[in-house]
Amino acid sequence: DAGVTQSPTHLIKTRGQHVTLRCSPISGHKSVSWYQQVLGQGPQFIFQYYEKEERGRGNFPDRFSARQFPNYSSELNVNALLLGDSALYLCASSLNSLAGGTGELFFGEGSRLTVL
Amino acid sequence: QKEVEQNSGPLSVPEGAIASLNCTYSDRVSQSFFWYRQYSGKSPELIMSIYSNGDKEDGRFTAQLNKASQYVSLLIRDSQPSDSATYLCAVRGYQLTFGKGTKLSVIP
Repeated sequence: DAGVTQSPTHLIKTRGQHVTLRCSPISGHKSVSWYQQVLGQGPQFIFQYYEKEERGRGNFPDRFSARQFPNYSSELNVNALLLGDSALYLCASSLNSLAGGTGELFFGEGSRLTVL
Repeated sequence: QKEVEQNSGPLSVPEGAIASLNCTYSDRVSQSFFWYRQYSGKSPELIMSIYSNGDKEDGRFTAQLNKASQYVSLLIRDSQPSDSATYLCAVRGYQLTFGKGTKLSVIP
């Protein structure tokens, strides 16, 4: 079975541009979460979507947005890119919603964004 | 602010020794606890999950949870050079919160 797939794997943008990152969860998983990991730090929670609804949002500016499609795949959009947005963006898939659940999260290989 | 604290290391152990990794968390409503291994430049890989107090063993790995002390640990027995990586502690309450990770080096 395919795991979590993310695209693109690497990309380079300039300040002020916009980026869209994509994620397909494990088959049967209905929840997708997005995380940002900068070098030397643990992943930081950005969003969670479950059954196409936003179920959680981390402490990120409104330049960050996301959505989940009927097939449970998801997009993360970042507008007006800043140098500090350079990071590894991770998508995690789980069976159920994070709140109140006990299931495991599985990560994709990530999208490495460099902002120049 | 819900926090997960880990010693950033680096933690160096000789090959064949036991590596002990520790984590404390602040949110008492946390339900689930995970250890992820992350090799340099790669994404986190789930290696252990634990939900109730006590020990859980899986091969060379043992996770220990003490909810009263808000403490979770990971023991790696017979450490191998291939275990050299950053180990992330993650705590699930209303979201999954990660520590900064402990870098482990196993010296041949």
